[in-house]
Amino acid sequence: KAGVTQTPRYLIKTRGQQVTLSCSPISGHRSVSWYQQTPGQGLQFLFEYFSETQRNKGNFPGRFSGRQFSNSRSEMNVSTLELGDSALYLCASRSGSVETQYFGPGTRLLVL
Amino acid sequence: GIQVEQSPPDLILQEGANSTLRCNFSDSVNNLQWFHQNPWGQLINLFYIPSGTKQNGRLSATTVATERYSLLYISSSQTTDSGVYFCVFSVGDYKLSFGAGTTVTVRA
Repeated sequence: KAGVTQTPRYLIKTRGQQVTLSCSPISGHRSVSWYQQTPGQGLQFLFEYFSETQRNKGNFPGRFSGRQFSNSRSEMNVSTLELGDSALYLCASRSGSVETQYFGPGTRLLVL
Repeated sequence: GIQVEQSPPDLILQEGANSTLRCNFSDSVNNLQWFHQNPWGQLINLFYIPSGTKQNGRLSATTVATERYSLLYISSSQTTDSGVYFCVFSVGDYKLSFGAGTTVTVRA
């Protein structure tokens, strides 16, 4: 099976813009989670989608949102970008329990 | 929330050396795992180890749940072992919580 894919891999934006990142899970996986990784805060949970519904959300402002499509592909959107949003954004998919999460290669976002 | 302490924060090894990474928890955790993040950012699950000992090639891990710690052993280290090692536990049945990580650099 193909692994988790994320597009784009690299992105440069300026403050105030918005950005959309995409994640395609492993075929058959219905759960997609998103994580933000920064040098200062480490890896933090953003949200999780299952069957097109957001099941859980981390402690991030409303500028961070997401959605999941019927084919389980997921997108996350960040509006009104701030310098502090510069990070590696990782998505993970799973079919069953939490210990079987598989991570994508990530999208590196730089906000100037 | 549960506090996770990983030690050492940084580790520099000569190729072929052995090492031990440690993870301490302030309380009981669920679904303890070890992940490796390579220098390009890819996260790979190494072990799911809520208790006991497991081995996979040159890597092995031991978790003593009653004493709230886990150890990751790297033997005969190679340059490809470089990266960051995270101990991770789950919060509920959906969210992974990551430690701060141990950055390992293996020099040829």
